[in-house]
Amino acid sequence: DIQMTQSPSSLSASVGDRVTITCRATQDISNYLAWFQQKPGKAPKSLIYAASSLQSGVPSKFSGSGSGTDFTLTISSLQPEDFATYYCQQSYSFPPTFGPGTRLEI
Amino acid sequence: EVQLVQSGAEVKKPGESLMISCKGSGYSFTSYWIGWVRQMPGKGLEWMGIIFPRDSDTRYSPSFLGQVTLSVDKSISTAYLEWSSLRASDTAIYFCARYPSGYTTAWNDAFDIWGQGTMVIVSS
Repeated sequence: DIQMTQSPSSLSASVGDRVTITCRATQDISNYLAWFQQKPGKAPKSLIYAASSLQSGVPSKFSGSGSGTDFTLTISSLQPEDFATYYCQQSYSFPPTFGPGTRLEI
Repeated sequence: EVQLVQSGAEVKKPGESLMISCKGSGYSFTSYWIGWVRQMPGKGLEWMGIIFPRDSDTRYSPSFLGQVTLSVDKSISTAYLEWSSLRASDTAIYFCARYPSGYTTAWNDAFDIWGQGTMVIVSS
């Protein structure tokens, strides 16, 4: 299985900040990378697919980039509702695998 | 509105069987793959497998093959995740999610819609 790592594992930020989360794959996954947001006690929410495409209804403050093995999720102008755990997932190789998550906290 | 609604929380004993459900609405249920994801207490997300409601074609992660069974009843737009003999280690929240694709390689895509999750507690 392809292993996914994320850094940092946790991140403290303030309302209004711009933050970047990194996701790395153990082998080339092209752009088969998705990002999900999960708030405590809630289901994940799909944010980005194909490394940089926004899911329908996701605000443009979220952006993704990268290809190959290194990817980033950037969130601009943090709002209270953005504080959550963020997961990346590769879908290049079966089975799809998730990163361990990055907890974004105030 | 496109949505997936899952069945309620379950508390079971080791060795018991269990089937939890995921009902799709607001779209053509038979046209999109449904996947299942496990989240153990305080842990991350694990991809379990997917099923295509139109013909019940399934793909299991090797980690879950033989441990669970995926099925559907397309007449009521519902997918199921089943255990024949639960273990304490099956304690987790289980999410269903939809792939926006009907292709056999749908797993190459990304989930777009998620159910609210079903908590399963297995304890003697």
